[in-house]
Amino acid sequence: QVQLQESGPGLVKPSETLSLTCTVSGVSVNNGLYFWNWIRQPAGKGLEWIGRVYNTGSTNYNPSLSSRVSVAFDTSKNHFSLQLNSVTAADTAVYYCVRKRSRGSFDIWGQGARVTVSS
Amino acid sequence: DIQMTQSPSSLSTSIGDRVTITCQASQDIRNYLNWYQQKPGKAPKLLIYDASTLETGVPSRFSGSGFGTDFTFTISSLQPEDIATYYCQHCDSLPYTFGQGTKLEIK
Repeated sequence: QVQLQESGPGLVKPSETLSLTCTVSGVSVNNGLYFWNWIRQPAGKGLEWIGRVYNTGSTNYNPSLSSRVSVAFDTSKNHFSLQLNSVTAADTAVYYCVRKRSRGSFDIWGQGARVTVSS
Repeated sequence: DIQMTQSPSSLSTSIGDRVTITCQASQDIRNYLNWYQQKPGKAPKLLIYDASTLETGVPSRFSGSGFGTDFTFTISSLQPEDIATYYCQHCDSLPYTFGQGTKLEIK
C-alpha cells in the first residue's frame, strides 16, 4: 500500500524559509512511472500546484512561485522535499505531497501539513 | 496558464438526485481532465481520470465525459457520503491548474 506523509514545522516566520519533507512508503521515488509533487490549499480556498520532481532529478515549478521554490528528492531516504523562501502570510496553507502518474492524474495524496506564516 | 472554470460553485441537492457539474478549459486539453472529491479536513481523492475513466474502487454512480474544452461530471443518484467539494483539474501542460470547486450541500 502506497502512502505519503508530510512533516515539518507548522509555524514559520515571515521572510523565512518553509521546509517540508514527504516520506514515501510502498513505492520507490526512483520509480520512473511517477512524478512527485507539492500542492497547497489556503483555508477555504482552492488547490494550487507548486512543483514536481522526477526520478532523474529534473524539476518543474509553477511560474507564480518559481523564483522562491525548490523541490528535491533523497532516494536513500525515499523522500522528497519542498523549500519555499521569503514566505509571507499569503503562503499560509495546507501543503500536500502528491504522487502523479507519468501521463495522468494525482492518484495518491498525503494527509496534508498545515503551515502558518506568522511572527 | 490554462484556466479551468467550474460551475456551479455550490449546489443544494437532495439524496437520490442526479448531480451534474461542468468544467470548461480556456484552451483544448484533449481528454487530460481529472475529477477529485474533497471532504472537510481531508485530502482530495481521485475519482475520474482521462475525462471518463473511473478510478479503481470508485462507485459506478460517478461518471465523467467530454473532450477538448468542455467536460461534465455526474453523480447518478446522490448518496449521503457524496456530500463534499468536487474539483476538476487538467494535466495537459504545465502548470497544472484546478477549477475553483463545486460544493455540494443538502437541501
